[in-house]
Amino acid sequence: QVQLQESGSGLLKPSQTLSLTCAVSGGSVTSGGSSWVWLRQVPGMGLEWIGNVYHPAHTYYNPSLKSRATISIDKSKNQFSLNLNSLTAADTAVYYCARGSNWNMVKRGWFDPWGQGTLVTVSS
Amino acid sequence: QSVLTQSPSTSGTPGQRITISCSGSTSNIGSTYVYWYQQFPGTAPRLLIYTDNERPSGVPDRFSGSKSGTSASLAISGLRSEDEADYFCAAWDDSLSRWVFGGGTKLTVL
Repeated sequence: QVQLQESGSGLLKPSQTLSLTCAVSGGSVTSGGSSWVWLRQVPGMGLEWIGNVYHPAHTYYNPSLKSRATISIDKSKNQFSLNLNSLTAADTAVYYCARGSNWNMVKRGWFDPWGQGTLVTVSS
Repeated sequence: QSVLTQSPSTSGTPGQRITISCSGSTSNIGSTYVYWYQQFPGTAPRLLIYTDNERPSGVPDRFSGSKSGTSASLAISGLRSEDEADYFCAAWDDSLSRWVFGGGTKLTVL
């Protein structure tokens, strides 16, 4: 079955750019019908959807993060990535990648499976 | 402050039936599907219920979902110690144009 694994920078300073990658195994990022999603969770609090990408490069973003977030697919490496710029302490969270059940994840769909998550801390 | 409202905690004893509620509005639960996720400490969320009341393969039939108006519920019957986890609801919000989540309910099995 599909498995996801996040990797990337864990400790960043304010104003820097976060770069995370999600490696996909057991499936292809080019497979039809699925989208590839980034979410985050502030420790002890609720989840926040960041956005998702559908092969080759159709993207959908949370309006509150759209100006700072970029999600892309690298089909040669079977992975997808998240860049989030102009970081502040409020961006400190566990970041998860997941597979979306629909191609655009607008109005309906579910997130399954999820990666194990990676903690990103923004601190001066 | 989460868009979907859940009680922070609930508890039950083994064998009992409990329900976890999720309250929203006409722009989310009242007009779209609800999804439920289970999360154990230090691990990623797992899909538990999709499109209001459907269970993915592998999820025991002790778990069930329902919806009425702008509220949804997750019921767990025959409570077991391994059900102790956090439970989140999720839905698309038409007004905000984004996915919204509940703050999570921590279930303790006494």
